Amino acid sequence: QLQLQESGPGPVKPSETLSLTCSVSGGSIGSSAYYWGWIRQPPGKRLEWIGHIYYSGDTYYNPSLQSRVTISVDTSKSQFSLKLSSVTAADTAVYYCARIIEAWGYNFDYWGQGTQVTVSS
Amino acid sequence: DIQMTQSPSSLSASVGDRVTITCRASQSITSYLNWYQLKPGKAPKLLIYAASSLQSGVPSRFSGRGSGTDFALTISSLQPEDFATYFCQQSYTTPLTFGQGTKLEI
Repeated sequence: QLQLQESGPGPVKPSETLSLTCSVSGGSIGSSAYYWGWIRQPPGKRLEWIGHIYYSGDTYYNPSLQSRVTISVDTSKSQFSLKLSSVTAADTAVYYCARIIEAWGYNFDYWGQGTQVTVSS
Repeated sequence: DIQMTQSPSSLSASVGDRVTITCRASQSITSYLNWYQLKPGKAPKLLIYAASSLQSGVPSRFSGRGSGTDFALTISSLQPEDFATYFCQQSYTTPLTFGQGTKLEI
């Protein structure tokens, strides 16, 4: 059974860079059949797609965040990562990592449990 | 961006009830519509993809219908484990966008 687990350093101060890692087990992150992505949900708001990456390194970002987002993949460690720079309180959210299958567009078929990230001084 | 609007925002129901949640897209997305279930502290779960296709392992009491701009998720007979929040998501184009969610409560 595929499992994804988000991890990160905890609270982040305004203007700093948020860094999260997603560890994948029970499946190959190097498979050409899937993409690997990040989604977030700020408190009281809807889910927001941040972006995703293919095993080859091709990336796809939400234009609203593109200037601040970097997603990378390390197939040797079976991990992919998110960096979001110049954070503000508006970036406080539960962050999820997910596997994406391209079947009738991009669908998130496996998710991690999510990790709370709070931006506060 | 394609805007997704769900209704209702919350819904009270009982075990055994049949419930329907609707989702409307701001433009046609043909059948590029997915439904997810979220429970606090748990990994979200894909229920339905391509508007009406049941994801593997999802109980058959869940069903989806619709095309174009109007879609619906129906749970035919609510079970205790179905009380959760449900989101629709369009996969027609990027940026991928979600509805605001429907909280299903006892």
